[in-house]
Amino acid sequence: QKEVEQNSGPLSVPEGAIASLNCTYSDRGSQSFFWYRQYSGKSPELIMFIYSNGDKEDGRFTAQLNKASQYVSLLIRDSQPSDSATYLCAVNMNYGQNFVFGPGTRLSVLP
Amino acid sequence: EAQVTQNPRYLITVTGKKLTVTCSQNMNHEYMSWYRQDPGLGLRQIYYSMNVEVTDKGDVPEGYKVSRKEKRNFPLILESPSPNQTSLYFCASSLYPLDTQYFGPGTRLTVL
Repeated sequence: QKEVEQNSGPLSVPEGAIASLNCTYSDRGSQSFFWYRQYSGKSPELIMFIYSNGDKEDGRFTAQLNKASQYVSLLIRDSQPSDSATYLCAVNMNYGQNFVFGPGTRLSVLP
Repeated sequence: EAQVTQNPRYLITVTGKKLTVTCSQNMNHEYMSWYRQDPGLGLRQIYYSMNVEVTDKGDVPEGYKVSRKEKRNFPLILESPSPNQTSLYFCASSLYPLDTQYFGPGTRLTVL
């Protein structure tokens, strides 16, 4: 069974703090990893993707990948109330043919 | 404007009445996919297509059909809808399977 797991939350952080979102996956052959943000009633929108072990930074966002531990995370620095949303981790499995999404973590940034 | 469109956006129907949800993309993407989203379960892939006339089952294909006769269109067909197919449906496309997926606005389906 291919699985992607996330803490459902809600994760509450004060404005300006660092929010840390975690994701684990079951398929060791997974090749690409994505973080999407989804506001209530809206479609998912890409925040960033990562393919290689290590860190990848884009503005206030940093994705971290550790394939040996089958773990990917997203850090949001200087969190803003507008970051309040559900964050979905997605993993490309089955040699790149299908995607498996985690259940999402709901983040609440308190002003 | 590059986009994925879905129609209808909202649909209420009755058990057993065949329906089709259309999906179209204008980005010349090869990979297209259908998902359903249910509370607590996240997005689950129903079917995907690697290219024209190439489709395959995702994690929850039962009760659904798809076709890919043209590159831009990927309709989702429910031959005999049941109440457990009440859900929010998203179509998505990407240039290649490993690439970023772009999502349509979603179709909220209620089966009575």
